[in-house]
Formats: sequence, structure tokens, C-alpha cells
Amino acid sequence: EIVLTQSPGTLSLSAGERASLSCRASQSVSYYLAWYQQKPGQPPRLLIYAASTRATGIPDRFSGGGSGTDFTLTISRLEPEDFAVYYCQHYGSSRAFGQGTKVEIK
Amino acid sequence: EVQLLESGGGLVQPGGSLRLSCAASGFTFSSYAMSWVRQAPGEGLEWVAAITDSGGDTYHGDSVKGRFTISRDNSRKTLYLQMSSLRADDTAMYYCAKGNTESRPYYFDFWGQGVLVTVSS
Repeated sequence: EIVLTQSPGTLSLSAGERASLSCRASQSVSYYLAWYQQKPGQPPRLLIYAASTRATGIPDRFSGGGSGTDFTLTISRLEPEDFAVYYCQHYGSSRAFGQGTKVEIK
Repeated sequence: EVQLLESGGGLVQPGGSLRLSCAASGFTFSSYAMSWVRQAPGEGLEWVAAITDSGGDTYHGDSVKGRFTISRDNSRKTLYLQMSSLRADDTAMYYCAKGNTESRPYYFDFWGQGVLVTVSS
């Protein structure tokens, strides 16, 4: 069973700062890694798939990278609407989600 | 516009049953795999079950295997989740999620707003 571990659990930053979120897999997931954003009271929204491809309508301040076991979601300059919880997910042999990283206003 | 509208949630006693529905519109329902994902209050996301485009193959997570059954009716453009032997730890928001293709591997490109299931006496 593939386990995804996200770090940090919480990231406290100010608007305009750069955010780097990590997702580590217990074994290689190739590039079958997606990132979702979830705001309170809303369903998740797809941000990134295939580790680095932005979904339709996602601003280019969001970027994904990595392959194998180590992945990163980067938000180049935080906008007020970016404060949310972010989840990674492996969608190959399993459908496991990471436990989430909360990006909060500092 | 893709829309996924869940229904059928509510309060149920431990050991009881419930059937969730997800009505789809805005895309060719029969061409895409679908899943249910749940989220317990204040917790993260947990994949529950998945079904291929034709309904020929289904998959269930270990925590619900033998108790929940995913199915679909392509003529009605509707996804279902039959839940039985419900437990308190099944309490969660249940989301219907659309896969980006007909079978694995697929990510979830659209999600419904969710339906709340509460298991309590």
C-alpha cells in the first residue's frame, strides 16, 4: 500500500510570499501524482495532474514538480484566495491521498 | 458545464443502511470512470470506491469493503453508493468525483458539492 506523507502540516505565510509544499510517497508513483486545493465548506478542486501539468483555469503561480517519490507544489506569490488546504493524491495503482497541508495567513 | 449533484444523505442509526446518488450533467457520463471520496469532520480525504465507465469493474477501499457497493446507471446518468452496516466512523461528507478518463489511471477533474452522512443513535 502506497502512503503519501505531506509536509509541513501547516505553513504560515503572508500574501505575496512563496509557498513550497512537499509530498513524499512510500514507493515510486512515477508521475501519477495530483494536487488539489480545498477551501472551507467547498469540495476539492484539481490544481495539478501528472505531477506538473496545471489543470484548466489554474493560474500560473501554481506549479508542480518531482517524480518517483518526491513531489513539490509551489505557489510563487500567495494571493488572499490561496489560503486553503492542499492535498496530494496518487492515482496510479492506488488512489491514496496525503493528509494535507494547511496554508494559513501569518 | 459539468455538474455533479449528490443526494440521499442524512442521519442513520449504527447498523443501518443508506443509498447515495450522484446525478451527472454537462458531459458524456458513460465515457468516464467515477468515484466516491469521503471526508470525516475536520479530517482529510479518503477514497471510498470507484467504477469504470461501463460499470464492469468496481473497486472499494479496505475500510468499506463488504459493506458499501458502488454502481452506476448510464441511462440515468447517475452514480450510486449503497451503504450498509453503517458505523459511527462512516460519518463524513461524501463527494462524487469524476475521473478524467474511462478507467485507471485517472485523477479527479470535477467534484460534487458533497452530501453529509451522519451515523449516530
